[in-house]
Amino acid sequence: EAQVTQNPRYLITVTGKKLTVTCSQNMNHEYMSWYRQDPGLGLRQIYYSMNVEVTDKGDVPEGYKVSRKEKRNFPLILESPSPNQTSLYFCASSSPPSDRTGTVEWAFFGQGTRLTVV
Amino acid sequence: DAKTTQPPSMDCAEGRAANLPCNHSTISGNEYVYWYRQIHSQGPQYIIHGLKNNETNEMASLIITEDRKSSTLILPHATLRDTAVYYCIVRVRKGGGSQGNLIFGKGTKLSVKP
Repeated sequence: EAQVTQNPRYLITVTGKKLTVTCSQNMNHEYMSWYRQDPGLGLRQIYYSMNVEVTDKGDVPEGYKVSRKEKRNFPLILESPSPNQTSLYFCASSSPPSDRTGTVEWAFFGQGTRLTVV
Repeated sequence: DAKTTQPPSMDCAEGRAANLPCNHSTISGNEYVYWYRQIHSQGPQYIIHGLKNNETNEMASLIITEDRKSSTLILPHATLRDTAVYYCIVRVRKGGGSQGNLIFGKGTKLSVKP
């Protein structure tokens, strides 16, 4: 079954304690990205990666790091979490634009990680 | 990518067609219209996308006006499980840049009522 798997699904942590949220996809997709979702602000992109070792900032990258050492994995790292990073996080993956149509295939999203930083 | 405008909320009776509008008046010729939905804090789910022709799949139909400045997502027989936030997104095709980024607006909260 095609899927994007995030772990953990729920996490409560304290300010300043480094944490990593893992994301793995089994579809051999080149594109992966991280979003956060906050009430009234919708989904905002944090970082994205167009291939192994290729990452770029999204709209709200401050306070986050990512790495893409393997195609299937795209972990999100919070070196020193703060309460304003309390949010619902989603990882997504998709394949690159079709050579025939030029369109990007639809993105698959993980089930989310609800992070609380106290 | 062009900006989209959607009504914040809509209601629909169960079993009736739900028609969700989206305005994208600044869409350019190389931009596609995508629809996603998000059911109660789950991960967003792809529904359908199109360029200028109407599209239909097992989930929904997409009607794009001839001038491409607006579109309508149609759920032909809405059920209670279709209650969700629906997002209309426009994005460029290959070579247009921003290929990794889906820009989500506020979407339309559709409530299907018995």
